[in-house]
Amino acid sequence: QLQLQLSGPGLVKPSETLSLTCTVSGGSISSSSYYWGWVRQPPGKGLEWIGSFYSSGSTYYNPSLKSRVTISIDTSKNQFSLKLSSVTAADTAVYYCAANIAVPGHDAFDIWGRGTLVTVSS
Amino acid sequence: QSVLTQSPSVSGAPGLRVTISCTGSSSNIGAGYDVQWYQHLPGIAPKLLIYGNRNRPSGVPDRFSGSKSGTSASLAITGLQAEDEADYYCQSYDSSLSRWVFGGGTKLTVL
Repeated sequence: QLQLQLSGPGLVKPSETLSLTCTVSGGSISSSSYYWGWVRQPPGKGLEWIGSFYSSGSTYYNPSLKSRVTISIDTSKNQFSLKLSSVTAADTAVYYCAANIAVPGHDAFDIWGRGTLVTVSS
Repeated sequence: QSVLTQSPSVSGAPGLRVTISCTGSSSNIGAGYDVQWYQHLPGIAPKLLIYGNRNRPSGVPDRFSGSKSGTSASLAITGLQAEDEADYYCQSYDSSLSRWVFGGGTKLTVL
């Protein structure tokens, strides 16, 4: 059973880069059966898709965040990571990592990790 | 404001049926993109309940069902149980925004 474990700092200063890592267990990050993504939820607001990484190496980002986001994978550690640069208070949110089953036409976030609150504050 | 609109809250007594609606537009649900539903309990990872408008992943009880018509979708929960008390989110793809989009969430209270 695929499981995702998120890690990273809970506090980031304004203008700095937010970095989170999601460790995959019960499956391989290199598998073409899944693609990997990030979703966030600002306090009191709904969920927002940040971006996704495909086994082909392609990445797709939310256009509103694209200039600041990088998603990458580390096959040696079976992890994928999120970097969000130049953060402001508006980036304060609970961040989730998720895995989507890679089937054409299947747009669901099938498996989620437990979220972590990241606060942007000096 | 979320791209997909959900009522903020819904409630029902144990054993009864509730429906949660999700209203979109011609660039997402109305364009034919599938709708997914998630159950979210505070502090716990969200759980996929329905994918492809009406399909349940393995392990999801058949008390949960999904439907879609036009620019809207619905999640129905029958035989309400106390453990169903949670936030529920719909999700689809929006072609004009070029991204996956979520509803604002509906809080279900079991009376």
